[in-house]
Amino acid sequence: KAGVTQTPRYLIKTRGQQVTLSCSPISGHRSVSWYQQTPGQGLQFLFEYFSETQRNKGNFPGRFSGRQFSNSRSEMNVSTLELGDSALYLCASSRGTGSVSDTQYFGPGTRLTVL
Amino acid sequence: SQQGEEDPQALSIQEGENATMNCSYKTSINNLQWYRQNSGRGLVHLILIRSNEREKHSGRLRVTLDTSKKSSSLLITASRAADTASYFCATALNDYKLSFGAGTTVTVRA
Repeated sequence: KAGVTQTPRYLIKTRGQQVTLSCSPISGHRSVSWYQQTPGQGLQFLFEYFSETQRNKGNFPGRFSGRQFSNSRSEMNVSTLELGDSALYLCASSRGTGSVSDTQYFGPGTRLTVL
Repeated sequence: SQQGEEDPQALSIQEGENATMNCSYKTSINNLQWYRQNSGRGLVHLILIRSNEREKHSGRLRVTLDTSKKSSSLLITASRAADTASYFCATALNDYKLSFGAGTTVTVRA
C-alpha cells in the first residue's frame, strides 16, 4: 500500500506570494491533518479534515486555509507569504473515524522556503 | 503552545547502550504517542499508550505512562546507529488534535 504522498517536496517562494501544497492520504484513509514544523516552534497543528469537513483548527492566522476533496486528497494554501512561514509542512492521514486514537501516518513533508 | 515537553533535549550514546527519554504534559489526555523523525523527514509512529495503560512494549521499545505525574518515558534498548533520530511525544488533547513536544535528539555513536 502506498504511503502518504506530498507534493511538491521542496518549494521556494518570495514574500507576498501564495502557495498551495498537496497531500494524498493512504488509500482508504478519510482523515487528513496538517502540521507546521519549525526549529523555533516545533510541530504545530494546523487543521484536520474528515469527509471534506474541517473538524479542528489550530491557532494560525486566516492566511492559512485548507480543503479536502471527495477522494480524501487535501490541499493547504498559504496566502501573502511571510518569512516566518518557512517551514516543513507535514500531513498525516488515519483510517477509521480519524480519531487521534488511530495511528497517524505522516508524509515526507513539503519544505517551504520564503525569501 | 506545546502540551508536552521532552527531556533531555539531546542524548548521545554508544551503540548497544540503552536510551531513555521522558515526556511531561500538562492536561488530561486520552492517549500519548511516540514518534520518530529522521533528519527533517516525515514522522514515523512508534507506539501509542492509552490513558488506562501503564506500560507497553514494541520490539526494542518500552513506553511507560504515569497519569498521576503526567509523564511518560520511552526506552530504546540495545541502540543501533539507525536509531539516530529525533523522538517526539504527542498527546491527544481531543479526538482530532495532536499536540507535540519539542523532541529529544538521539545520536547513537558507532
